[in-house]
Amino acid sequence: SQQGEEDPQALSIQEGENATMNCSYKTSINNLQWYRQNSGRGLVHLILIRSNEREKHSGRLRVTLDTSKKSSSLLITASRAADTASYFCVAVSSNDYKLSFGAGTTVTVRA
Amino acid sequence: DTEVTQTPKHLVMGMTNKKSLKCEQHMGHRAMYWYKQKAKKPPELMFVYSYEKLSINESVPSRFSPECPNSSLLNLHLHALQPEDSALYLCASSQDWPSVTGELFFGEGSRLTVL
Repeated sequence: SQQGEEDPQALSIQEGENATMNCSYKTSINNLQWYRQNSGRGLVHLILIRSNEREKHSGRLRVTLDTSKKSSSLLITASRAADTASYFCVAVSSNDYKLSFGAGTTVTVRA
Repeated sequence: DTEVTQTPKHLVMGMTNKKSLKCEQHMGHRAMYWYKQKAKKPPELMFVYSYEKLSINESVPSRFSPECPNSSLLNLHLHALQPEDSALYLCASSQDWPSVTGELFFGEGSRLTVL
């Protein structure tokens, strides 16, 4: 089911710049995840942040979580052309562990 | 092996045809999923199988019929589809369901076109 919102819907940046996208959700969560999807392909898991964590890093990715605002952000630093993709946040409910997808942010990195 | 394999990658079928989509994983995962994804939209959950039993059917029309022959295989049988059923069909798996971590492993998808 989809119950999250993401913004912006689309983002175009120059190679080397940082890309930031935001996600909001509606229920209490156990964790929140980010996935990447290249055009017409499957989704790839990027990073998971638990409800008791505020920030997490993985390579060029930085995720923050604010449970009081029911929001998360994904920062991609020093972007590359290969980062061109759609990014989805997925909130995992703490009540029934159901997954809720955000609407997605399409990122285009210009060479 | 951390792959979920889906076949075929592309499928074109008429509204009177019967076809099947197949999905296979060898990660020992006990939960498998079918998602439908339209262009520029997030995936929508269709079915969840847990331990080879259907656990969730998100009110999917009966022209879509899932089948889980064993813990590694998941099929989606298609019959009398409509043009609006054209979409990318994604299979996914997870260690279990409900999954505390919820991390899903997705296949590359089957692009279905209904004429």
